[in-house]
Amino acid sequence: KAGVTQTPRYLIKTRGQQVTLSCSPISGHRSVSWYQQTPGQGLQFLFEYFSETQRNKGNFPGRFSGRQFSNSRSEMNVSTLELGDSALYLCASSATGGLSSYEQYFGPGTRLTVT
Amino acid sequence: DQQVKQNSPSLSVQEGRISILNCDYTNSMFDYFLWYKKYPAEGPTFLISISSIKDKNEDGRFTVFLNKSAKHLSLHIVPSQPGDSAVYFCAVYSGGGADGLTFGKGTHLIIQP
Repeated sequence: KAGVTQTPRYLIKTRGQQVTLSCSPISGHRSVSWYQQTPGQGLQFLFEYFSETQRNKGNFPGRFSGRQFSNSRSEMNVSTLELGDSALYLCASSATGGLSSYEQYFGPGTRLTVT
Repeated sequence: DQQVKQNSPSLSVQEGRISILNCDYTNSMFDYFLWYKKYPAEGPTFLISISSIKDKNEDGRFTVFLNKSAKHLSLHIVPSQPGDSAVYFCAVYSGGGADGLTFGKGTHLIIQP
């Protein structure tokens, strides 16, 4: 079974621009979560989508948004980029139901650099 | 205030010996605990997990121990191998998943030949 894929792998943007990142979950997984990893804050939860609906949201400003499509693929958007948004953005998918839904499988991440 | 703490930023162990990675948490309501391994430029890889109703779970060379009264989790790797050199993250999940997975800051394990 193919793993979680994320595109693009690397991105350089300028302050004030917006960016869209894409994630394709493991086949059959309907839950997709997004995380931000920075050296200072570690891995922090952004939001989770399930069946095209945002189910949970972390403590991030409204500039961070996402959506999920009917095929479970997800996109994350960051508007009005700030230097502090430079980070590794990770997508994770999980199965539904039972304890296995707690186990999230991560993609390789998108490295975003804001200049 | 960190809910999940990994107090050792790094740990060096000789090949063949036991590696013990530790994690402390603050909220007794957490009900599922996981360990992830991460190599540079890759996403975290799920290693092993344990539910709050158990105190031990084994998978090959990896064993996770949960001490609920102490709010302490540990990962034992035995024997340690060079490929185990990576950053290890402890993560917790509370019912409903409102905060997703909450991660510790990680411990960099270095296996010395």
